[in-house]
Amino acid sequence: EVQLVESGGGLVQPGRSLRLSCAASGFTFDDYAMHWVRQAPGKGLEWVSGINWNSGGIGYADSVKGRFTISRDNAKNSLYLQMNSLRAEDTALYYCVKDIPPNWNSRAFDIWGQGTMVSVSS
Amino acid sequence: DIQMTQSPSSLSASVGDRVTITCRASQSITSYLNWYQQKPGKAPKLLIYAASSLQSGVPSRFSGSGSGTDFALTISSLQPEDFATYYCQQSYSTPVYTFGQGTRVEIK
Repeated sequence: EVQLVESGGGLVQPGRSLRLSCAASGFTFDDYAMHWVRQAPGKGLEWVSGINWNSGGIGYADSVKGRFTISRDNAKNSLYLQMNSLRAEDTALYYCVKDIPPNWNSRAFDIWGQGTMVSVSS
Repeated sequence: DIQMTQSPSSLSASVGDRVTITCRASQSITSYLNWYQQKPGKAPKLLIYAASSLQSGVPSRFSGSGSGTDFALTISSLQPEDFATYYCQQSYSTPVYTFGQGTRVEIK
């Protein structure tokens, strides 16, 4: 079964750091680009960051650029998001997401984890 | 950055209705447009990718159309399990992606 399991969320004070992890199973992890998508309570989806299969291509939303760092360890089938200088507006459910197969000649998110909640508050 | 605008933001419809949600990109994204369905408390689910390709396992009452800047998601006959929030997403400007603001489909 294809599965993504996030961990590392929690309550943190503004200005502090947090590292999210995502454990992947059921597919060949290093064949796929991976992403983080977040959803603030009662709000819509916001793409946060993405990384291609070999970490050679990385992107960030403007809202997190310079504060968040995405990385992956293909040997451990794991995706990470290092979040520094956290702000109240970073409070959200963070989803780990898998890209569709590259031979589908497009890009979309076909597998989603259940998310890990990050709350930034003093 | 490419902006995605969905309309309407919400709609009320009855079971059996034909429903269309539109999505407009701020510049051409060719066919790099995806649609997702999200139910309360659940992760989003991919419905349509590449503007009109139906994801495996998704009922055929869902269809997507459009190219360039204007796209649509159509549900041909709304079913009780289709009441949810729908999001479009552009995947043209990789590695930066953008979602629309969402359209909530409610029971009339």
